[in-house]
Amino acid sequence: AQSVTQLGSHVSVSEGALVLLRCNYSSSVPPYLFWYVQYPNQGLQLLLKYTSAATLVKGINDFEAEFKKSETSFHLTKPSAHMSDAAEYFCAVSINNAGNMLTFGGGTRLMVKP
Amino acid sequence: NAGVTQTPKFQVLKTGQSMTLQCAQDMNHNSMYWYRQDPGMGLRLIYYSASEGTTDKGEVPNGYNVSRLNKREFSLRLESAAPSQTSVYFCASSEGPGVNTGELFFGEGSRLTVL
Repeated sequence: AQSVTQLGSHVSVSEGALVLLRCNYSSSVPPYLFWYVQYPNQGLQLLLKYTSAATLVKGINDFEAEFKKSETSFHLTKPSAHMSDAAEYFCAVSINNAGNMLTFGGGTRLMVKP
Repeated sequence: NAGVTQTPKFQVLKTGQSMTLQCAQDMNHNSMYWYRQDPGMGLRLIYYSASEGTTDKGEVPNGYNVSRLNKREFSLRLESAAPSQTSVYFCASSEGPGVNTGELFFGEGSRLTVL
């Protein structure tokens, strides 16, 4: 069975600062990994995904994530935070023969200070 | 361009009451899902329907039933609501099965409070 751990339920950064949201996974087979974002009072939207191609994945709004097999990590970064990035971010994992069965982490709420 | 539509958006129930959450998608997707979201626990899968005519239990199915009415619609029923079912419920859809893009399309959620 696969699982996801997101370190830090709340992260606060200043506008213009680096954003780093941490995600570690466990999986017995090569995983597919995803980051989803949830803006207030909305459903989740796909931000980016890793499906065994390039280990550095670029997503929308200048977010990117790097798959590191040796560290079982898939941390999300953005060079410069914007106020509009304030949201909750979820890391998720699926195994490649499980269709779209995703297991989500507990979420990290990103706050951006002016 | 509705995507995934859930009703109702808000509901307050008393313990023991029943209700059905409705979900419809207009993207011609094969697979549909019901998740619940609780603080600090992320989203947990309640039930899913890989394709029309099939349903399967997810991680937390107890106390719930589902119906895949047709390709578009997937409903979630609480037969006898309990306070532990207070949560935000999300319906989602995807192209699957066999199309493992990992991209789920979510509705805006239904906030349920059980007193």
